[in-house]
Amino acid sequence: NAGVTQTPKFRILKIGQSMTLQCTQDMNHNYMYWYRQDPGMGLKLIYYSVGAGITDKGEVPNGYNVSRSTTEDFPLRLELAAPSQTSVYFCASSYSIRGRGANYGYTFGSGTRLTVV
Amino acid sequence: GENVEQHPSTLSVQEGDSAVIKCTYSDSASNYFPWYKQELGKRPQLIIDIRSNVGEKKDQRIAVTLNKTAKHFSLHITETQPEDSAVYFCAAPSGNTPLVFGKGTRLSVIA
Repeated sequence: NAGVTQTPKFRILKIGQSMTLQCTQDMNHNYMYWYRQDPGMGLKLIYYSVGAGITDKGEVPNGYNVSRSTTEDFPLRLELAAPSQTSVYFCASSYSIRGRGANYGYTFGSGTRLTVV
Repeated sequence: GENVEQHPSTLSVQEGDSAVIKCTYSDSASNYFPWYKQELGKRPQLIIDIRSNVGEKKDQRIAVTLNKTAKHFSLHITETQPEDSAVYFCAAPSGNTPLVFGKGTRLSVIA
C-alpha cells in the first residue's frame, strides 16, 4: 500500500513550457486534491475531484488544468509555465462517509518541487 | 465559505515546556478538525483530529480541545522535545468541500 504517489519529485521549467504532474493513490479514496505551498506559507487549493469524471476549482485554479478519468489518478497540467507557479505541489486524497462529509483520512503525497525560470 | 485563522505564526519553547496553538473557524456547520505536522522538506502528516461530538482528545503528549460555541480549537503539546520542531497546520471543512488550512505555526523547541 503505497498511499499517494507523486512524480516527479523535482522539475525545472522554462517560462512558457508545459508539464504534467502525476498523482496516483491506491487507497480507493474517492476524493483527490491538488494544493500548492509557497515558501513559508500555507496550503492553497488548486483543484479537487469528488470522483472519476468530476472536477472542481479551488482557490487558485488559474494556469492549471486537471482531469480524473479513473479513481486512482489525478494529474495536474501546467500550460505556459510562469515564474509565479514556482512552488511545491502536493496531491492528497481522502474518503467520505455517507452523510458525514468527505474530509477523513486526508493523506498527502511527498510533493513536487517546481521551479520556473 | 470557511475561514480558518491560526495563532501564533511562530512559537519558541524550552524543551520540556508545553506548547499551545489555537485556531478559530467561521462555519458553524464544520464538524471535523484535524492537525497536521510538516517537517522541513516533508509532506504534511496528520497527527491528531477531533470530531464535533467530543470536546477533547488525547494521544500521548498531544491533545486537541474543541469549543464549538466559541468556534475555536487548540493543539496542546506537553513535555516538548526537539523532534517536535516543525510547522503545524490546523484545518476545518465547510460542508462537503475540501479542508481549509490555517497559515501554519512554526514551532521551535530549544534544547
